[in-house]
Amino acid sequence: GAGVSQTPSNKVTEKGKYVELRCDPISGHTALYWYRQSLGQGPEFLIYFQGTGAADDSGLPNDRFFAVRPEGSVSTLKIQRTERGDSAMYLCASSLLGPQEQFFGPGTRLTVL
Amino acid sequence: KQEVTQIPAALSVPEGENLVLNCSFTDSAIYNLQWFRQDPGKGLTSLLLIQSSQREQTSGRLNASLDKSSGRSTLYIAASQPGDSATYLCAVSPVTSGSRLTFGEGTQLTVNP
Repeated sequence: GAGVSQTPSNKVTEKGKYVELRCDPISGHTALYWYRQSLGQGPEFLIYFQGTGAADDSGLPNDRFFAVRPEGSVSTLKIQRTERGDSAMYLCASSLLGPQEQFFGPGTRLTVL
Repeated sequence: KQEVTQIPAALSVPEGENLVLNCSFTDSAIYNLQWFRQDPGKGLTSLLLIQSSQREQTSGRLNASLDKSSGRSTLYIAASQPGDSATYLCAVSPVTSGSRLTFGEGTQLTVNP
């Protein structure tokens, strides 16, 4: 597609459940990023992939969060044992190479009840 | 640790005014600076990217400047329109540690018709 896409656009889950969020980057972009944005705040970095490998995962808040990019294109952010504090907008971005201009997707709004 | 501050947090202006949004950052060792627009509940739209070696970039009614040594950037919007109403975010990427963006909290702009 022309831009970064993310699915689902909205996800409502119950505390303790497992969720997966998907990101399709712009075709040909080797770098992919995940950010989390709470209401009224700027996005915060979670993880950065260059190709298939996680080049920087220092922003992941704890070991309940994990992300993969097995074929160097689509990425999945996985959250285990969700907590109410995980409720936020999860944003994905891609760039041709890192560090260059980043292009963001529409985000996934996660709500943990 | 890089910190990004945006002033003002909110701004309301009548249509047609020229306006300036401010962004400051604490660590001048940046690779580039990016300005984004975010509409409520949506993802980020890239407006302008300034490389660290550049002083300014222009796109239509938008002009962004960068003074790396003083840790400041401004976004100038000429002849504002109601459609410019959104939150504007600036973000910097570091020279080291790859491409992670550090964001400010944004300026919420309202342009009144």
